[in-house]
Amino acid sequence: EPEVTQTPSHQVTQMGQEVILRCVPISNHLYFYWYRQILGQKVEFLVSFYNNEISEKSEIFDDQFSVERPDGSNFTLKIRSTKLEVSAMYFCASKKTGGAAGYEQYFGPGTRLTVT
Amino acid sequence: DQQVKQNSPSLSVQEGRISILNCDYTNSMFDYFLWYKKYPAEGPTFLISISSIKDKNEDGRFTVFLNKSAKHLSLHIVPSQPGDSAVYFCAAQIRQNFVFGPGTRLSVLP
Repeated sequence: EPEVTQTPSHQVTQMGQEVILRCVPISNHLYFYWYRQILGQKVEFLVSFYNNEISEKSEIFDDQFSVERPDGSNFTLKIRSTKLEVSAMYFCASKKTGGAAGYEQYFGPGTRLTVT
Repeated sequence: DQQVKQNSPSLSVQEGRISILNCDYTNSMFDYFLWYKKYPAEGPTFLISISSIKDKNEDGRFTVFLNKSAKHLSLHIVPSQPGDSAVYFCAAQIRQNFVFGPGTRLSVLP
């Protein structure tokens, strides 16, 4: 069964450094998403991406964050100049179409980002 | 920001009985509502969704009810099984923006 994969599973970085979280969505999916979950809190939507551009983003997704689909298979989240408060589990998801009914998002296993 | 609320942080149910998980929302513009299950160290797994124009959707043991006037939805799992023990998230969608609730931890006791 096809699945969304994410690398690395755990990333430790020092404050102020840049990190890139990588995701490989399911191959025939068209919509891509990033979410985060700070420890003990709810899953928070960051951004959705379709047709090589951002379609929606939340207030969390400020200039510190950027997304890219560099090669048609990977979907990356870049966090510049990391701060302690971005430590969280980051989930990538993909979906076949834009509607919700019957075309659910498939989530990856997550990357735990720890900023020290 | 409390657009999607799940007021019960946890719920315990006996195996074979019905589990009812509740969710309330404040934004009447949401198009779809979805339920996800999450195990520790894994990403959320989609369970079932419902369009804002429907009031019920059923898939096997899972049924979602939507009461639009009350801005309330619920997920019924019957019969509950020990493998259903997980955190359940309600989520609401506008276009390609998804808002998750804080989750309810369901424990199904054998």
